[in-house]
Amino acid sequence: KQEVTQIPAALSVPEGENLVLNCSFTDSAIYNLQWFRQDPGKGLTSLLLIQSSQREQTSGRLNASLDKSSGRSTLYIAASQPGDSATYLCAVMTGGKLIFGQGTELSVKP
Amino acid sequence: DGGITQSPKYLFRKEGQNVTLSCEQNLNHDAMYWYRQDPGQGLRLIYYSQIVNDFQKGDIAEGYSVSREKKESFPLTVTSAQKNPTAFYLCASSIAGLAGGELFFGEGSRLTVL
Repeated sequence: KQEVTQIPAALSVPEGENLVLNCSFTDSAIYNLQWFRQDPGKGLTSLLLIQSSQREQTSGRLNASLDKSSGRSTLYIAASQPGDSATYLCAVMTGGKLIFGQGTELSVKP
Repeated sequence: DGGITQSPKYLFRKEGQNVTLSCEQNLNHDAMYWYRQDPGQGLRLIYYSQIVNDFQKGDIAEGYSVSREKKESFPLTVTSAQKNPTAFYLCASSIAGLAGGELFFGEGSRLTVL
């Protein structure tokens, strides 16, 4: 059974710092991996989608990498801003359904 | 503009009552999903549908029911058999197929049982 783990559960950094969020999964037979952002009381916003054949995707200050063989993905956020404060979730697509990690709650202090 | 609409945003229910949460999408996606989110437990899959008139149970389907009569609509009924229904419910859609595609979410419905 596929399991997705995100470490750390919470992270607090000063504004301007570069940071890395981690995601690991137990079964490498995935079709894609997706990173989401969730603000309190809101739905999820898709940030980046990495297909299983890809190694990384970039969007603005965000860069996500995927290493299927080791079951790992990282989300790199450059020059963090207070507006980046949110919960970040990763999810893997397997068998037509998306399996989520529990998320990393990020706080960027001014 | 395209997107997913969930309603109502907030819903209160007395014990023993069934309630139905609405999810409508105009993205022309074949696949639709219902997730439940509880504090500290992440998102758990309730039901999903890859095509009209077909749906499958997710990891926590007990006490829930769905229908998929139209491509655009995937309503979720929380029945009185669901022992702990208070939660945040999220609907999503994507291009169909086992490989799926990018998932898009609605804004969620918060159900509280009084």
